[in-house]
Amino acid sequence: DGGITQSPKYLFRKEGQNVTLSCEQNLNHDAMYWYRQDPGQGLRLIYYSQIVNDFQKGDIAEGYSVSREKKESFPLTVTSAQKNPTAFYLCASSLGTGEKLFFGSGTQLSVL
Amino acid sequence: AQSVSQHNHHVILSEAASLELGCNYSYGGTVNLFWYVQYPGQHLQLLLKYFSGDPLVKGIKGFEAEFIKSKFSFNLRKPSVQWSDTAEYFCAVGSTGRRALTFGSGTRLQVQP
Repeated sequence: DGGITQSPKYLFRKEGQNVTLSCEQNLNHDAMYWYRQDPGQGLRLIYYSQIVNDFQKGDIAEGYSVSREKKESFPLTVTSAQKNPTAFYLCASSLGTGEKLFFGSGTQLSVL
Repeated sequence: AQSVSQHNHHVILSEAASLELGCNYSYGGTVNLFWYVQYPGQHLQLLLKYFSGDPLVKGIKGFEAEFIKSKFSFNLRKPSVQWSDTAEYFCAVGSTGRRALTFGSGTRLQVQP
Protein backbone atom coordinates (compact mmCIF):
# COMPACT_ATOMS: atom_id res chain seq x y z
CA ASP A 1 0.00 0.00 0.00
CA GLY A 2 1.31 3.42 -0.90
CA GLY A 3 1.08 6.09 1.70
CA ILE A 4 2.59 7.99 4.58
CA THR A 5 3.52 6.32 7.82
CA GLN A 6 3.95 8.29 11.01
CA SER A 7 5.27 6.79 14.21
CA PRO A 8 4.72 6.56 17.03
CA LYS A 9 1.00 7.21 17.32
CA TYR A 10 1.41 8.53 20.87
CA LEU A 11 4.54 10.04 22.38
CA PHE A 12 5.34 11.47 25.76
CA ARG A 13 8.08 13.97 26.42
CA LYS A 14 9.73 14.77 29.71
CA GLU A 15 10.90 18.26 30.58
CA GLY A 16 14.18 19.13 28.88
CA GLN A 17 14.02 16.18 26.54
CA ASN A 18 14.24 16.16 22.75
CA VAL A 19 11.96 13.75 20.94
CA THR A 20 11.86 12.74 17.29
CA LEU A 21 8.73 11.99 15.29
CA SER A 22 9.12 9.73 12.28
CA CYS A 23 7.54 10.25 8.87
CA GLU A 24 8.11 7.91 5.94
CA GLN A 25 6.43 7.95 2.52
CA ASN A 26 6.56 5.51 -0.37
CA LEU A 27 4.67 7.68 -2.83
CA ASN A 28 7.85 8.94 -4.50
CA HIS A 29 6.83 12.49 -3.66
CA ASP A 30 9.42 15.26 -3.76
CA ALA A 31 7.78 17.56 -1.21
CA MET A 32 7.16 16.80 2.46
CA TYR A 33 5.67 18.85 5.26
CA TRP A 34 5.12 18.98 8.99
CA TYR A 35 2.03 20.62 10.42
CA ARG A 36 0.91 21.06 13.99
CA GLN A 37 -2.81 20.80 14.77
CA ASP A 38 -4.24 22.45 17.86
CA PRO A 39 -7.98 22.64 18.65
CA GLY A 40 -9.52 25.76 17.13
CA GLN A 41 -6.31 26.76 15.35
CA GLY A 42 -6.34 24.50 12.35
CA LEU A 43 -3.06 23.30 10.89
CA ARG A 44 0.03 25.43 11.21
CA LEU A 45 3.12 24.81 9.13
CA ILE A 46 6.30 23.93 11.02
CA TYR A 47 8.76 22.98 8.27
CA TYR A 48 8.64 21.82 4.70
CA SER A 49 11.02 20.33 2.20
CA GLN A 50 10.76 20.61 -1.55
CA ILE A 51 13.60 18.25 -2.30
CA VAL A 52 16.19 16.04 -0.62
CA ASN A 53 18.80 17.89 1.46
CA ASP A 54 16.75 21.08 1.44
CA PHE A 55 14.08 22.39 3.81
CA GLN A 56 12.49 25.70 4.81
CA LYS A 57 10.98 27.08 7.99
CA GLY A 58 7.25 27.42 8.16
CA ASP A 59 5.22 29.73 10.37
CA ILE A 60 6.07 28.15 13.74
CA ALA A 61 9.54 26.62 13.32
CA GLU A 62 10.97 27.79 16.66
CA GLY A 63 11.79 24.85 18.92
CA TYR A 64 11.71 22.32 16.08
CA SER A 65 14.29 20.88 13.70
CA VAL A 66 14.12 18.60 10.67
CA SER A 67 16.34 16.74 8.24
CA ARG A 68 15.78 15.42 4.73
CA GLU A 69 18.59 13.02 3.97
CA LYS A 70 16.41 10.64 1.99
CA LYS A 71 13.49 11.34 -0.32
CA GLU A 72 11.17 9.06 1.61
CA SER A 73 11.96 10.29 5.12
CA PHE A 74 11.38 13.62 6.90
CA PRO A 75 11.80 13.27 10.68
CA LEU A 76 10.82 16.09 13.02
CA THR A 77 12.64 16.73 16.28
CA VAL A 78 10.79 18.61 19.01
CA THR A 79 13.52 20.18 21.11
CA SER A 80 13.48 21.30 24.72
CA ALA A 81 13.25 24.88 23.40
CA GLN A 82 9.67 24.23 22.33
CA LYS A 83 7.79 25.34 25.45
CA ASN A 84 4.33 24.20 24.43
CA PRO A 85 4.85 20.96 22.52
CA THR A 86 1.59 19.22 23.39
CA ALA A 87 -0.26 18.91 20.07
CA PHE A 88 -1.20 16.60 17.25
CA TYR A 89 1.53 16.50 14.60
CA LEU A 90 0.72 15.72 11.00
CA CYS A 91 3.15 14.82 8.26
CA ALA A 92 2.17 15.23 4.63
CA SER A 93 3.67 14.87 1.18
CA SER A 94 2.88 16.04 -2.32
CA LEU A 95 4.20 15.48 -5.80
CA GLY A 96 5.14 19.13 -6.00
CA THR A 97 4.71 22.12 -3.76
CA GLY A 98 1.32 23.84 -3.79
CA GLU A 99 -0.37 20.63 -4.86
CA LYS A 100 -2.70 18.12 -3.23
CA LEU A 101 -1.37 16.88 0.09
CA PHE A 102 -1.45 13.30 1.30
CA PHE A 103 -1.51 13.07 5.08
CA GLY A 104 -0.27 10.56 7.59
CA SER A 105 -2.34 9.43 10.56
CA GLY A 106 -0.56 11.78 12.97
CA THR A 107 1.35 11.63 16.24
CA GLN A 108 -0.11 12.92 19.49
CA LEU A 109 2.68 14.39 21.60
CA SER A 110 2.09 15.07 25.27
CA VAL A 111 4.33 16.44 28.00
CA LEU A 112 4.77 14.50 31.23
CA ALA B 1 1.92 36.53 3.30
CA GLN B 2 -1.12 34.45 2.54
CA SER B 3 -3.79 33.67 5.11
CA VAL B 4 -7.09 31.82 5.25
CA SER B 5 -10.17 32.67 7.31
CA GLN B 6 -12.97 30.28 8.11
CA HIS B 7 -15.72 32.20 9.83
CA ASN B 8 -17.84 29.34 11.08
CA HIS B 9 -16.10 27.49 13.89
CA HIS B 10 -18.92 25.12 14.82
CA VAL B 11 -22.00 24.41 12.76
CA ILE B 12 -24.89 22.21 13.84
CA LEU B 13 -27.42 21.08 11.25
CA SER B 14 -30.20 18.56 10.97
CA GLU B 15 -30.05 15.89 8.28
CA ALA B 16 -31.25 17.10 4.86
CA ALA B 17 -30.42 20.72 5.67
CA SER B 18 -28.29 22.66 3.21
CA LEU B 19 -24.71 23.52 4.09
CA GLU B 20 -22.50 26.46 3.24
CA LEU B 21 -19.13 26.93 4.94
CA GLY B 22 -17.30 30.17 4.37
CA CYS B 23 -13.65 30.48 3.36
CA ASN B 24 -11.82 33.68 2.52
CA TYR B 25 -8.15 34.00 1.68
CA SER B 26 -5.74 36.86 1.34
CA TYR B 27 -3.19 36.69 -1.45
CA GLY B 28 -2.98 38.89 -4.51
CA GLY B 29 -1.58 36.40 -6.98
CA THR B 30 -2.64 33.12 -8.54
CA VAL B 31 -3.87 30.59 -6.02
CA ASN B 32 -4.74 26.94 -5.77
CA LEU B 33 -7.64 26.30 -3.40
CA PHE B 34 -8.57 23.19 -1.47
CA TRP B 35 -11.10 21.82 0.96
CA TYR B 36 -10.01 18.96 3.19
CA VAL B 37 -12.14 16.92 5.56
CA GLN B 38 -11.19 15.07 8.73
CA TYR B 39 -13.74 12.47 9.80
CA PRO B 40 -13.51 11.35 13.43
CA GLY B 41 -10.49 9.11 13.86
CA GLN B 42 -9.46 9.29 10.21
CA HIS B 43 -6.76 10.93 8.10
CA LEU B 44 -7.28 14.31 6.55
CA GLN B 45 -8.49 13.75 3.01
CA LEU B 46 -9.13 15.96 0.00
CA LEU B 47 -12.74 16.91 -0.71
CA LEU B 48 -12.12 19.07 -3.75
CA LYS B 49 -9.65 21.48 -5.30
CA TYR B 50 -9.55 24.42 -7.67
CA PHE B 51 -6.53 25.19 -9.83
CA SER B 52 -8.01 26.95 -12.86
CA GLY B 53 -10.96 26.87 -15.26
CA ASP B 54 -14.59 26.54 -14.18
CA PRO B 55 -14.89 28.32 -10.83
CA LEU B 56 -17.56 25.87 -9.68
CA VAL B 57 -15.84 22.66 -8.71
CA LYS B 58 -17.41 19.42 -7.64
CA GLY B 59 -15.85 17.04 -5.20
CA ILE B 60 -16.57 13.77 -3.50
CA LYS B 61 -19.75 12.92 -1.59
CA GLY B 62 -21.86 15.62 -3.25
CA PHE B 63 -19.79 18.59 -2.11
CA GLU B 64 -19.06 21.55 -4.33
CA ALA B 65 -17.28 24.88 -3.96
CA GLU B 66 -17.32 28.12 -5.87
CA PHE B 67 -14.26 30.28 -6.41
CA ILE B 68 -15.21 33.97 -6.51
CA LYS B 69 -12.02 35.83 -7.33
CA SER B 70 -13.45 39.30 -6.67
CA LYS B 71 -14.40 38.24 -3.14
CA PHE B 72 -11.31 36.13 -2.46
CA SER B 73 -13.71 33.38 -1.44
CA PHE B 74 -14.01 29.64 -1.89
CA ASN B 75 -17.13 28.59 -0.01
CA LEU B 76 -18.06 24.94 0.38
CA ARG B 77 -21.64 23.81 -0.22
CA LYS B 78 -23.78 20.72 -0.06
CA PRO B 79 -27.52 20.78 -0.81
CA SER B 80 -28.50 18.11 1.71
CA VAL B 81 -26.22 16.93 4.51
CA GLN B 82 -26.18 13.49 6.04
CA TRP B 83 -25.23 12.32 9.51
CA SER B 84 -22.07 10.83 7.98
CA ASP B 85 -20.90 14.34 7.00
CA THR B 86 -20.13 15.03 10.67
CA ALA B 87 -16.45 16.01 10.55
CA GLU B 88 -14.05 18.92 10.65
CA TYR B 89 -13.58 20.82 7.41
CA PHE B 90 -10.48 22.80 6.48
CA CYS B 91 -10.00 25.30 3.69
CA ALA B 92 -6.45 25.69 2.35
CA VAL B 93 -4.64 27.87 -0.17
CA GLY B 94 -1.42 27.35 -2.07
CA SER B 95 0.37 29.77 -4.35
CA THR B 96 3.55 30.34 -6.29
CA GLY B 97 4.54 32.85 -3.63
CA ARG B 98 4.50 30.26 -0.86
CA ARG B 99 5.33 26.71 -1.65
CA ALA B 100 3.29 25.08 1.11
CA LEU B 101 -0.42 25.12 1.80
CA THR B 102 -1.83 27.54 4.37
CA PHE B 103 -4.84 26.17 6.25
CA GLY B 104 -7.75 27.87 7.91
CA SER B 105 -8.70 27.20 11.51
CA GLY B 106 -11.32 24.63 10.52
CA THR B 107 -15.08 24.29 10.92
CA ARG B 108 -16.53 21.53 13.01
CA LEU B 109 -19.78 20.29 11.44
CA GLN B 110 -22.19 18.30 13.52
CA VAL B 111 -25.17 16.75 11.72
CA GLN B 112 -27.99 15.59 13.92
CA PRO B 113 -30.13 12.66 12.75
